[in-house]
Amino acid sequence: KNEVEQSPQNLTAQEGEFITINCSYSVGISALHWLQQHPGGGIVSLFMLSSGKKKHGRLIATINIQEKHSSLHITASHPRDSAVYICATNTGNQFYFGTGTSLTVIP
Amino acid sequence: NAGVMQNPRHLVRRRGQEARLRCSPMKGHSHVYWYRQLPEEGLKFMVYLQKENIIDESGMPKERFSAEFPKEGPSILRIQQVVRGDSAAYFCASSPPGKINEKLFFGSGTQLSVL
Repeated sequence: KNEVEQSPQNLTAQEGEFITINCSYSVGISALHWLQQHPGGGIVSLFMLSSGKKKHGRLIATINIQEKHSSLHITASHPRDSAVYICATNTGNQFYFGTGTSLTVIP
Repeated sequence: NAGVMQNPRHLVRRRGQEARLRCSPMKGHSHVYWYRQLPEEGLKFMVYLQKENIIDESGMPKERFSAEFPKEGPSILRIQQVVRGDSAAYFCASSPPGKINEKLFFGSGTQLSVL
């Protein structure tokens, strides 16, 4: 079983701020996923990564395999980024999820 | 190309009734996963299915819960004799064949409320 820990649990930021959400896990993995869950519940997969760094628009995800740690960064945050961000790991078909970071971006 | 479709979005049941949750994966996807999200908790794996086969049901409660993914039609998660503790959001996700490490595509979930 992989223990997936996220921090912070809750985050409030002013529009335009740079945001970092952290994720650590306890055992080796095949891949790490960042998910976004909006109010109303829909879940969108943002990134899947197994090494290095990926960028999509204002979102950047990094992973350090040796340290078993990943970060999700949001540059120039916007109120529409307000959501719960979930870190998940998988080994084969076994997925383990963090409890999420609730982000609120204030205009 | 429609995404993962779940229905119903909301389901209300009284204690002791049966709940049937449906999930149609994305076109071309043959792997289906069911997850449960309890209030204030993270998503928890329940079951992983491929067409006509249950691959891993280690997250499923031993009693009252069952899942299937028939050759034709959607995957069904069935909860018999529901209790209040079954109230949760149930998410389905799918992925293409042979690519279990690829991105998961999630449905919008079914919110089950047991009265």
